[in-house]
Amino acid sequence: AQKVTQAQTEISVVEKEDVTLDCVYETRDTTYYLFWYKQPPSGELVFLIRRNSFDEQNEISGRYSWNFQKSTSSFNFTITASQVVDSAVYFCALSSYNTDKLIFGTGTRLQVFP
Amino acid sequence: DVKVTQSSRYLVKRTGEKVFLECVQDMDHENMFWYRQDPGLGLRLIYFSYDVKMKEKGDIPEGYSVSREKKERFSLILESASTNQTSMYLCASSSPGGGQNYGYTFGSGTRLTVV
Repeated sequence: AQKVTQAQTEISVVEKEDVTLDCVYETRDTTYYLFWYKQPPSGELVFLIRRNSFDEQNEISGRYSWNFQKSTSSFNFTITASQVVDSAVYFCALSSYNTDKLIFGTGTRLQVFP
Repeated sequence: DVKVTQSSRYLVKRTGEKVFLECVQDMDHENMFWYRQDPGLGLRLIYFSYDVKMKEKGDIPEGYSVSREKKERFSLILESASTNQTSMYLCASSSPGGGQNYGYTFGSGTRLTVV
């Protein structure tokens, strides 16, 4: 069975702090995709990244970076120099390679205070 | 800009009513999905469709049905609404496969309250 665990329910930081959101997944598939989504207070899910299981290179996009480690089944997300606009719920998700059905974690609520 | 549009942002319905949640996408995506979001549970897949008139059950289909008569429209139906179906409902669409042009887009959600 597939499962995504986001153990951090809520994180609070002060602006400009770095913060890492953890994601651990379980799957028996050898090929799969991992995702991160952001859900701001408006409610709409915003796609951040998709990573396939063959690509373990870390990725950086501006203040965002992702660390994918197959050995520990983790796909962690780091925000550098956090800003108030980063306040949102962040979801990690998993899908098999041949289907677009997403298995979501329970989400981590990030609050960034000025 | 590509869009997934859900017809209602907020809905209040009575127990036992038949409820239709509508979702339309303008990206010519083959795949469409209905999820519900509940605090502490994340998003869970209710139903999905890979083609017109085709549907498959997700993880929590009980109490729901779906209809996909046209490629762009995917409707979620609550045959007899119950209070435990009070939730945020999110529709999504995607193009199959991967590559640079992969797209998986969510609508803005419908918050349904059953009283």
